Amino acid sequence: RKEVEQDPGPFNVPEGATVAFNCTYSNSASQSFFWYRQDCRKEPKLLMSVYSSGNEDGRFTAQLNRASQYISLLIRDSKLSDSATYLCVVIPPGFQKLVFGTGTRLLVSP
Amino acid sequence: NAGVMQNPRHLVRRRGQEARLRCSPMKGHSHVYWYRQLPEEGLKFMVYLQKENIIDESGMPKERFSAEFPKEGPSILRIQQVVRGDSAAYFCASSPGDRGEETQYFGPGTRLLVL
Repeated sequence: RKEVEQDPGPFNVPEGATVAFNCTYSNSASQSFFWYRQDCRKEPKLLMSVYSSGNEDGRFTAQLNRASQYISLLIRDSKLSDSATYLCVVIPPGFQKLVFGTGTRLLVSP
Repeated sequence: NAGVMQNPRHLVRRRGQEARLRCSPMKGHSHVYWYRQLPEEGLKFMVYLQKENIIDESGMPKERFSAEFPKEGPSILRIQQVVRGDSAAYFCASSPGDRGEETQYFGPGTRLLVL
């Protein structure tokens, strides 16, 4: 089983739509979780950290379900500029390295 | 505050040559990480360094690859006798190293093409 698993997509949605991505992780002792965004041929950029209590940043909401080892990202009112690959990232216990999922590709169309 | 800097941005090598990739962390950051992204694949951790120390090299291939982060100057990822399978984007990230601050900030990457 992969350490971090994501649906690769692509998710094709119209502008204004709400879209949700899911991610599962295998190590139940993991403590730190993030969503990064990667545009084509660019570096990953931190979108948001993910906490058990959930967190929201504008149109973006991230949730963590420790019991199910499941992380989600919700994007409301999608914009064309949201088109990118969204990377689910976990830091395994005892390490500093980031473990990336393969990413979920989002395409927002006019 | 300049971000993480990497150079060169693009590097072309022939099989058997050496590739040297450089990374300067963000100002005030003392931890450096290298990741590799093969075409159409996710990013994979290679190595984690602090000044003059390799902390975790569990993701480094056993042969031909080495990394350093000297007391002065940038971190270097060195690939000897490159092969076509080494063609990839190599990203460097840095973090402050402060207790509890885990956010890693990425550089623009070096795209290595082996002919």
